[in-house]
Amino acid sequence: GQNIDQPTEMTATEGAIVQINCTYQTSGFNGLFWYQQHAGEAPTFLSYNVLDGLEEKGRFSSFLSRSKGYSYLLLKELQMKDSASYLCASREAGTALIFGKGTTLSVSS
Amino acid sequence: EPEVTQTPSHQVTQMGQEVILRCVPISNHLYFYWYRQILGQKVEFLVSFYNNEISEKSEIFDDQFSVERPDGSNFTLKIRSTKLEDSAMYFCASRDMETGINEKLFFGSGTQLSVL
Repeated sequence: GQNIDQPTEMTATEGAIVQINCTYQTSGFNGLFWYQQHAGEAPTFLSYNVLDGLEEKGRFSSFLSRSKGYSYLLLKELQMKDSASYLCASREAGTALIFGKGTTLSVSS
Repeated sequence: EPEVTQTPSHQVTQMGQEVILRCVPISNHLYFYWYRQILGQKVEFLVSFYNNEISEKSEIFDDQFSVERPDGSNFTLKIRSTKLEDSAMYFCASRDMETGINEKLFFGSGTQLSVL
């Protein structure tokens, strides 16, 4: 089975940088995903890591350390519209994506 | 951009009734999924479907649940006898056959099921 942990809530101000951490335990790791979910809406894909290191994509970056079972999502130049839940998800080979409980990020002005 | 569509957006039903939630996945996708999210809780995996059969299911997906791909476009989730605890947002998702980053899921906007 898989176990995914991430903080429940975080707050930050516009223009700041925030890092959302995720730890996972899985017996056959096959990729780590981050999704964004605005309240009442569907999750949308943000990033994917399968090898160690940093993947950068505009204001969002994601990092993975497979040996530590650790990932983080880095959001730069925060905007009010970034207020949402950020879902860490992992999968084992041949299995479905399993989500963590999500981190609710509140961005204030 | 192609998208996953779900109908209805809201469904209200009485406990014990059967409901069918409908989804039209993205046309060239081959893997289909149902997830649910109880209010304030995490997105939970229910079932995956590939090549006209269930490829994986969770403990939640018991005998009350079934899935079907009745034609080339629709993918349905049936709950045979709804319980109060089935009240949740149900998300359909699909993906294509590619591996790695292209294994990302595309989600529909969900059906909010309320069991009274």
